[in-house]
Amino acid sequence: GAVVSQHPSRVICKSGTSVKIECRSLDFQATTMFWYRQFPKKSLMLMATSNEGSKATYEQGVEKDKFLINHASLTLSTLTVTSAHPEDSSFYICSAGLLLADSYNEQFFGPGTRLTVL
Amino acid sequence: GQNIDQPTEMTATEGAIVQINCTYQTSGFNGLFWYQQHAGEAPTFLSYNVLDGLEEKGRFSSFLSRSKGYSYLLLKELQMKDSASYLCAVLDSNYQLIWGAGTKLIIKP
Repeated sequence: GAVVSQHPSRVICKSGTSVKIECRSLDFQATTMFWYRQFPKKSLMLMATSNEGSKATYEQGVEKDKFLINHASLTLSTLTVTSAHPEDSSFYICSAGLLLADSYNEQFFGPGTRLTVL
Repeated sequence: GQNIDQPTEMTATEGAIVQINCTYQTSGFNGLFWYQQHAGEAPTFLSYNVLDGLEEKGRFSSFLSRSKGYSYLLLKELQMKDSASYLCAVLDSNYQLIWGAGTKLIIKP
């Protein structure tokens, strides 16, 4: 149980184009979904937290107009990197959360999406 | 500020034991996680400690001392497939996960 998928797993695009990444919880309904970015040899950096039907909460320094998050249902969240540039090349990982006691979300991670912007 | 420290890289021999340390300074504490991450893949959950002491799970054990802001992950009978990065993460008072930079573990035959 608690399987999370991401699509696509790899994407190469030209500078200036937009890329959409989907994150799905396959066998459970996620109260919250998290989007992370990871640069080579660096730790995960939380970009934003989203709850179904409401606007995402972005971490400081993350441009909400550049990284559009849509959380249309309890099983699907999408991250769109708009007008991508080479510096946006990174490993993007989503996680789907199950709310447990004391407001804690148990996070189940997707397999990640490798984005390369030429 | 919030800070989690762990060694950048460690090397160990197949069949041996290795201990990966993690120290943390966070605003509040609601538990500490260890994750394993193979290159190009997402992290996978290994352990969760919220009380002091040692939690054993097969070849992997995790220890926590809240008073010292310290944890370690102990890997026994190392196998080549254990070569990966090991991430320490702390749940702070706002139930946000604060991540360490990870320790790259290299296993040699």
